[in-house]
Amino acid sequence: GAVVSQHPSRVICKSGTSVKIECRSLDFQATTMFWYRQFPKQSLMLMATSNEGSKATYEQGVEKDKFLINHASLTLSTLTVTSAHPEDSSFYICSARGTLPDRGLEKLFFGSGTQLSVL
Amino acid sequence: QKEVEQDPGPLSVPEGAIVSLNCTYSNSAFQYFMWYRQYSRKGPELLMYTYSSGNKEDGRFTAQVDKSSKYISLFIRDSQPSDSATYLCAMRGSGSARQLTFGSGTQLTVLP
Repeated sequence: GAVVSQHPSRVICKSGTSVKIECRSLDFQATTMFWYRQFPKQSLMLMATSNEGSKATYEQGVEKDKFLINHASLTLSTLTVTSAHPEDSSFYICSARGTLPDRGLEKLFFGSGTQLSVL
Repeated sequence: QKEVEQDPGPLSVPEGAIVSLNCTYSNSAFQYFMWYRQYSRKGPELLMYTYSSGNKEDGRFTAQVDKSSKYISLFIRDSQPSDSATYLCAMRGSGSARQLTFGSGTQLTVLP
């Protein structure tokens, strides 16, 4: 089945540094990718939606200058957390939506997530 | 009021039990309903995907949608310890309203 690869799975960094997370769709072309943030024992919170070749659409309250999203190709989207601070520590998950020949139903597949810890 | 309500649990059941997980929603535009399973510190995995009202069965899993009551359920038969995870319901509309709205997730533990 479709696979979404997300790297790294875990990153620990010092406050003030930038961290880049990659999300790749391996079996299909992802016209749209989503980035979520999840705190312990809470549900996924949508941060932004990115479409290939265009600027990302950010949810209310998400700083676009802090969370830079690039969706340069149909198989790759990146999220860069700039000047990370301890309050940015969280579990970040990407998902990809694409056209799959599955009775016309569009599905969403998730990456394995990235645990970011900012010291 | 949240668009999607889901009891967070935690829910503990003995191995072999039938598990019932539920979500209610308020947006009548939702047409596609999904259940995801998420193990700790992992991305969600799609379990069931249904369109509109009705039942769908896949192995030990059965998804039910009742649009008139705005209520969806996931049943797990013969539950196993490996089913221990957080289960998230998700739903979306069609056309321009295609973003998923998630429930808060129910944490399930199946005891051996």
